[in-house]
Amino acid sequence: EPEVTQTPSHQVTQMGQEVILRCVPISNHLYFYWYRQILGQKVEFLVSFYNNEISEKSEIFDDQFSVERPDGSNFTLKIRSTKLEDSAMYFCASSDVIWSNQPQHFGDGTRLSIL
Amino acid sequence: DAKTTQPPSMDCAEGRAANLPCNHSTISGNEYVYWYRQIHSQGPQYIIHGLKNNETNEMASLIITEDRKSSTLILPHATLRDTAVYYCIVPIPAMNYGGSQGNLIFGKGTKLSVKP
Repeated sequence: EPEVTQTPSHQVTQMGQEVILRCVPISNHLYFYWYRQILGQKVEFLVSFYNNEISEKSEIFDDQFSVERPDGSNFTLKIRSTKLEDSAMYFCASSDVIWSNQPQHFGDGTRLSIL
Repeated sequence: DAKTTQPPSMDCAEGRAANLPCNHSTISGNEYVYWYRQIHSQGPQYIIHGLKNNETNEMASLIITEDRKSSTLILPHATLRDTAVYYCIVPIPAMNYGGSQGNLIFGKGTKLSVKP
């Protein structure tokens, strides 16, 4: 069964550094999402992306965050200048847009640790 | 905030059916109910979704009440590997045309513990 893959599984970065989290969505999917989960807290929506532009974003997704689909397979989340509070699991998801109400399928996440 | 309410935790004996309830009393006529689960720190796993008819797939069954204000996820023969947090979600509708369900608002879910 096709799946969403995320790399790396664990990223350790110094505060203030830039970090790029990578995702390969399911190949025929056209909607892409990033969510995050701070340890012990709820999964939170960050951003959705369709047709090479952001569809929706949450208040968490400020100017420090950006997303990009650099080629036909990858979808990336960049944090420009990381803060301690950015430490979390980051989940990528994708969904099929051919039919309405298709579910989002998630990767297993990247654990981001900011030192 | 999430549009659904779920009990914080439930126990189930291995091999028995696990019935997880969810209230979504403010659901609109065209909004779907989705169920996901999260095993330990893995990514959320899609289970099933429905609008008003009962649904069944290889993982579970979804029973939606006639007034659509509540639903029940049924795992017919729970195993130890079904121990997870189960989320009942009514997504915010997508802002733009394209067929996506819109972003998912996760609540705290129900922590299901399947015991031997």
